[in-house]
Amino acid sequence: DGGITQSPKYLFRKEGQNVTLSCEQNLNHDAMYWYRQDPGQGLRLIYYSQIVNDFQKGDIAEGYSVSREKKESFPLTVTSAQKNPTAFYLCASRRGAYTDTQYFGPGTRLTVL
Amino acid sequence: AQRVTQPEKLLSVFKGAPVELKCNYSYSGSPELFWYVQYSRQRLQLLLRHISRESIKGFTADLNKGETSFHLKKPFAQEEDSAMYYCALRAETSGSRLTFGEGTQLTVNP
Repeated sequence: DGGITQSPKYLFRKEGQNVTLSCEQNLNHDAMYWYRQDPGQGLRLIYYSQIVNDFQKGDIAEGYSVSREKKESFPLTVTSAQKNPTAFYLCASRRGAYTDTQYFGPGTRLTVL
Repeated sequence: AQRVTQPEKLLSVFKGAPVELKCNYSYSGSPELFWYVQYSRQRLQLLLRHISRESIKGFTADLNKGETSFHLKKPFAQEEDSAMYYCALRAETSGSRLTFGEGTQLTVNP
């Protein structure tokens, strides 16, 4: 579990400001994912990356952006275009094959004031 | 597009009673189904997957393609089973992407 870290645990921002959430893994996993967790809606995929320098939109990518310049890092930027950014954000990683398990980080709770 | 439905947001049982958390899916191909669990103040983690046909912490789940269901069952619930449970599906056409259900909060009362 300690192989995936997300920081900070809690984050507060003013409306209209962009904010970047950190996700780092030292598991040498190829793929990384960002989910948004809202009560009653489960987890929804924002973006994912199968390999370095490549990423794809998930189901709710609007208002978010990502980069994957290093294998171990997959930062998520919540832009001012995201209409309802207050949520719990989870990062996950997966080793290689599609059937491998996804391992989750501890999450970041973002509150936009 | 595939979809996962967990009809019960909240489920409460007494210790020692059987428990069943329901999961239904819609997908026309051959899915891979998972149950993930999130205990209080812990990370979301895999509980079991249908291809492994295993029992973890006394829980089992059978994929019923006819009923498009993957219900999670345990014959005798324990207080430590209290957690949020998510059913998830991987479609053969979606690579490694998982589609999650809404989640069921299970409370096991003493």
